[in-house]
Amino acid sequence: AQSVTQLDSQVPVFEEAPVELRCNYSSSVSVYLFWYVQYPNQGLQLLLKYLSGSTLVKGINGFEAEFNKSQTSFHLRKPSVHISDTAEYFCAVRRENNDMRFGAGTRLTVKP
Amino acid sequence: EAQVTQNPRYLITVTGKKLTVTCSQNMNHEYMSWYRQDPGLGLRQIYYSMNVEVTDKGDVPEGYKVSRKEKRNFPLILESPSPNQTSLYFCASSLSIGLPLEQYFGPGTRLTVT
Repeated sequence: AQSVTQLDSQVPVFEEAPVELRCNYSSSVSVYLFWYVQYPNQGLQLLLKYLSGSTLVKGINGFEAEFNKSQTSFHLRKPSVHISDTAEYFCAVRRENNDMRFGAGTRLTVKP
Repeated sequence: EAQVTQNPRYLITVTGKKLTVTCSQNMNHEYMSWYRQDPGLGLRQIYYSMNVEVTDKGDVPEGYKVSRKEKRNFPLILESPSPNQTSLYFCASSLSIGLPLEQYFGPGTRLTVT
């Protein structure tokens, strides 16, 4: 069975600082990788996805992620965060049989 | 507008009183799923459906039922709710094959069982 580990449950950071949210997955087969964002009192919204091809994926709101097959990681990065990026972020993996697994989430708090 | 809708958004009920949370999508997706979100546990899948009349258990199916009589609807039924089912529930849908592969989520239903 595959699993997803988000290594940090909470990440506090000051505005305009860079941030990295870490995600590792375990799977013996090819997977598709996603990052979702959940703003307070809202549903999940897709930030970006990796299906194949270039290992550096760009998403909305200035976020990007890098797929590293050898390290089975898919870390999310942003060079300069804003107050409005305060949210919970979920890493997810999906296999070809539609089985989808989510990490426990990382709460990003951007402080002024 | 392509969307997944859930009703109700908020619900407070008492132990043992049957309830249904509705989910509907207008994207003609074959695949639909229910998740519950609890602090520190992320999203855990309750049930999913690959297509009409095809449903299967996820990771935490105990105490829940689902049905898929129409492609667009996937209601979640709690026959006898208990306090440990107090949670935030999300419905999601996607295509079963082909692109795009991501799941589209509803706005969530916050359920409190007293």
